[in-house]
Amino acid sequence: GAGVSQSPSNKVTEKGKDVELRCDPISGHTALYWYRQSLGQGLEFLIYFQGNSAPDKSGLPSDRFSAERTGGSVSTLTIQRTQQEDSAVYLCASSLSSDSWNTEAFFGQGTRLTVV
Amino acid sequence: AQSVTQLGSHVSVSEGALVLLRCNYSSSVPPYLFWYVQYPNQGLQLLLKYTSAATLVKGINGFEAEFKKSETSFHLTKPSAHMSDAAEYFCAVTPGGGFQKLVFGTGTRLLVSP
Repeated sequence: GAGVSQSPSNKVTEKGKDVELRCDPISGHTALYWYRQSLGQGLEFLIYFQGNSAPDKSGLPSDRFSAERTGGSVSTLTIQRTQQEDSAVYLCASSLSSDSWNTEAFFGQGTRLTVV
Repeated sequence: AQSVTQLGSHVSVSEGALVLLRCNYSSSVPPYLFWYVQYPNQGLQLLLKYTSAATLVKGINGFEAEFKKSETSFHLTKPSAHMSDAAEYFCAVTPGGGFQKLVFGTGTRLLVSP
């Protein structure tokens, strides 16, 4: 597609339920990033995929969070046993490569997750 | 490790006035620096980036930023604010030598009054 697409745009879930957030990166982009934007806070790095390399999971806040990227394209961020503090906007971004200085990350519009 | 500090969670200017949004960074290696803008209910859009070429970087919508190593700063400026500039602005840093995970500041909301 023309840009990074995220679905759903909004998700309301009950505390304790699992949720899956989807990201479709720009075609041909090998790098994919997930960030979290909580109310009143900046953007927090969660995880990053680069090609076939092992993902950098250093930003995942707990073992309830996981992400996968199938076929080097679509990515799914899964949050198990959601808590109220998980409420945030989850942003996905993609870039051509993480190896070149002459690239930039393009962001999707995000998924607003509300845990009630 | 890299970090970014944005001074002022909110900045208010009048239309036509100078816009100055402050960003200071900390990096143990030569950094790449970015400014992103986020309009309401939209994703982040790249305004400009510094990747060790010219220290004065020009971006979209009339914005520019100057990399000052001695001050570890990368402040964003625009000579004359427009109403359409009202948005949230994020400064970000990543270690030089590759586009890796961005470390963002907490953002500055720019308010423009008529």
